[in-house]
Amino acid sequence: SQTIHQWPATLVQPVGSPLSLECTVEGTSNPNLYWYRQAAGRGLQLLFYSVGIGQISSEVPQNLSASRPQDRQFILSSKKLLLSDSGFYLCAWSVGTEYNEQFFGPGTRLTVL
Amino acid sequence: QKEVEQNSGPLSVPEGAIASLNCTYSDRGSQSFFWYRQYSGKSPELIMSIYSNGDKEDGRFTAQLNKASQYVSLLIRDSQPSDSATYLCAVGGYLSGGSNYKLTFGKGTLLTVNP
Repeated sequence: SQTIHQWPATLVQPVGSPLSLECTVEGTSNPNLYWYRQAAGRGLQLLFYSVGIGQISSEVPQNLSASRPQDRQFILSSKKLLLSDSGFYLCAWSVGTEYNEQFFGPGTRLTVL
Repeated sequence: QKEVEQNSGPLSVPEGAIASLNCTYSDRGSQSFFWYRQYSGKSPELIMSIYSNGDKEDGRFTAQLNKASQYVSLLIRDSQPSDSATYLCAVGGYLSGGSNYKLTFGKGTLLTVNP
């Protein structure tokens, strides 16, 4: 069966500090991978998605970036965090079918102070 | 801009009752429809998928889709306190002019089942 891991689970960072969040998927090959952010009152916002190694598409202009160095690894980064980057960051995966059911990891709760 | 609208709630029902959650969407080209359950502080969990008009039943859950009205709903029969959560509606479709499939989420409806 497929499992998805995210770490860390929680993170408190000062404004201006760098960020690296990691997501890995087990039990499937060549998944589509997604980064979402969920902020209070705003719902789930798609940040990045990837259909393969090194292939990243950005949905929203921001100071975040994503990379996919391996088939089942997806990394979200920032060089300098802003207060507005606080939120619940969720990684999700799907198999490349037209139905695109997405399955979420446990998430990382980020607080920028 | 594709939109998915849900009543934010809270929707409060007594234990054993039927809970009815509703969702409307703006993109007529949408092709797949999902309901996720999210407990407080946790990540969303997929509970129902529906792709064609009509009803789909899975245990106590029934999803209903009406593409002509651009409306999808989730019924929860025999509601239990453990069903208390936020329910997210998600609609899938291809990005305009592209080949990549995307889910657009509503902001969710908070359901409270009272013992």
